[in-house]
Amino acid sequence: ELKVEQNPLFLSMQEGKNYTIYCNYSTTSDRLYWYRQDPGKSLESLFVLLSNGAVKQEGRLMASLDTKARLSTLHITAAVHDLSATYFCAVVTNFGNEKLTFGTGTRLTIIP
Amino acid sequence: KAGVTQTPRYLIKTRGQQVTLSCSPISGHRSVSWYQQTPGQGLQFLFEYFSETQRNKGNFPGRFSGRQFSNSRSEMNVSTLELGDSALYLCASSPGGAAAYEQYFGPGTRLTVT
Repeated sequence: ELKVEQNPLFLSMQEGKNYTIYCNYSTTSDRLYWYRQDPGKSLESLFVLLSNGAVKQEGRLMASLDTKARLSTLHITAAVHDLSATYFCAVVTNFGNEKLTFGTGTRLTIIP
Repeated sequence: KAGVTQTPRYLIKTRGQQVTLSCSPISGHRSVSWYQQTPGQGLQFLFEYFSETQRNKGNFPGRFSGRQFSNSRSEMNVSTLELGDSALYLCASSPGGAAAYEQYFGPGTRLTVT
């Protein structure tokens, strides 16, 4: 059974600092997603990573994928308050199968 | 292009009742998946429909069922509601083809069972 683990579960950081969220998964994956969720809201797609070594960046967020290590990272650069949210990674194991297996989420709080 | 819509947005039901939730995917998308989100269990996959066929199913009891119509709209039904069914129910829309990767989530239906 596929397991997806994220760490840390909670992260409190000061504005302007850098930090990384880690996502480990237990079996071979075709795709890995990163989502953001604000309190009481739905999931907003951030990145889709498809292949080993894939790196995507949007603003202060950068995601990477190492399929050999079964590890993805979400790096936050020079954090700002607007990035406060819960971040989820999710894995799809097979093409033709849209089932997402989610990590536990990382609740990120940016302190001014 | 209009996004994924879910109705109703909020719902309060009593134990033992049943409920039907609706999801309209993005135009042209053929795959609809349903997820349950609770503080204790996180985000869990319920089922996925593609071209009116259930393609995948999560580990939920038979009280949870769904269907998809020819226009790709989907409904999920929960019968004999329990307190533990209180959750945010999210649907996700995807083109569903082999080279189609994006999954877009709707705003969710928040179900409260009393």
